[in-house]
This record gives sequence, structure tokens and C-alpha cells, in this order.
Amino acid sequence: DAGITQSPRYKITETGRQVTLMCHQTWSHSYMFWYRQDLGHGLRLIYYSAAADITDKGEVPDGYVVSRSKTENFPLTLESATRSQTSVYFCASSELGLSTDTQYFGPGTRLTVL
Amino acid sequence: DAKTTQPPSMDCAEGRAANLPCNHSTISGNEYVYWYRQIHSQGPQYIIHGLKNNETNEMASLIITEDRKSSTLILPHATLRDTAVYYCPIASNTGKLIFGQGTTLQVKP
Repeated sequence: DAGITQSPRYKITETGRQVTLMCHQTWSHSYMFWYRQDLGHGLRLIYYSAAADITDKGEVPDGYVVSRSKTENFPLTLESATRSQTSVYFCASSELGLSTDTQYFGPGTRLTVL
Repeated sequence: DAKTTQPPSMDCAEGRAANLPCNHSTISGNEYVYWYRQIHSQGPQYIIHGLKNNETNEMASLIITEDRKSSTLILPHATLRDTAVYYCPIASNTGKLIFGQGTTLQVKP
């Protein structure tokens, strides 16, 4: 019963490199979300997906790309990493994406861009 | 989207009730109030949610004012393991959560 997992848990990369953060859920939830959390702040939504091949922007999408070819996976790609993208990234999922549906979060990926 | 305001920090004595307030004066009629907590930068953990009625589960109680502009999360008997950052995001009708800055709750022996 893994629930929702993220990999890698820690990543150090250099400015300009491409990096992909993985998210996998075993509940067959329709909706998946990517958030970032900067030191001392709450979470901000980057992108979300309502189903396979359906994605939409959140509050802070610039510099990120997402895809969702399978229901259970929702990778987040930084095409050319910048220092301002140093952050902790959380993936979440919910069953139907309604306001009554609880979002369940993964353990996070701590990304450092040098 | 509705914004939330919470006190930055609070203390609570172990074994006593912890009452954490949240202001959401711009909440819309069909938006839910959620409560999550985050321990040591782990992923946020779901606690409870509600629309307009008070709610209770095995973890906590949620009291929502009649005008829905504020709410209070109650941990009835706080333990040291309840030390965490508590958030009260609002869920829009599309299910997106809007997080504020949260309250750091320190439970003291």
C-alpha cells in the first residue's frame, strides 16, 4: 500500500540543466497536482491534471512542463533549471478533483539548483 | 480564490486543548475549509474539512462560524507529536487548494 510516492527525494543540479521529478500514485485517482514550497512559506500550485492527457496551469507554472500519459504518473520537468527553482516539490492526488475530495500528498522532493 | 490568514505561531501545554484560528473572510458559498499539518517538512497530512457545519473525527474538531468567515481547529488533548505547522487551505469549486502561511504550533511539556 504505497499510496503516493515521489522520486528522487533529494536532487542537486546545476543551472541550465534539465531535471524531471517523478510522482506515482496507486489509488487510480483522476486528479494529480504539483506544488512548490519555499522556505517559510505555504504551498503554491504549479500544475494540475484532471486525467491522462489533460493538464492545466496553476499559480506558478513558468519554467515547468508536465505530462500525464498514464493515470498513475505525473512527472514534472524543469527544462532549464534556475536557482529560483530551488524548493521542495510536493505531488498530490485526489479522486475526482471536487472541493469535497481530499488531496493526499507525497513525501516531497527537495531540489537544489546551484 | 479565497485567501486565508493565520497567526504565525502559537504555544500549547501538553494535554491541553489547542485552538488554532483561521480567517477566510472572502470564502465563497461552495468552497470548503480544509486543515492540514506538516511535520518537519514532510508532505502535508490531511486532518479534517468542512463546509458550514461543525465536524469531528478521530484527530480533531472543526468549528466554522455561521457567516463562514472564520474557523477554528481544535486538538482536544495536544501531545508533543502535534508540534507542526498547521494550514487551513480553501478548496475552490475546481478542487484546487489555496494555501496561506500557516501557524507553527509548539506543544510544550
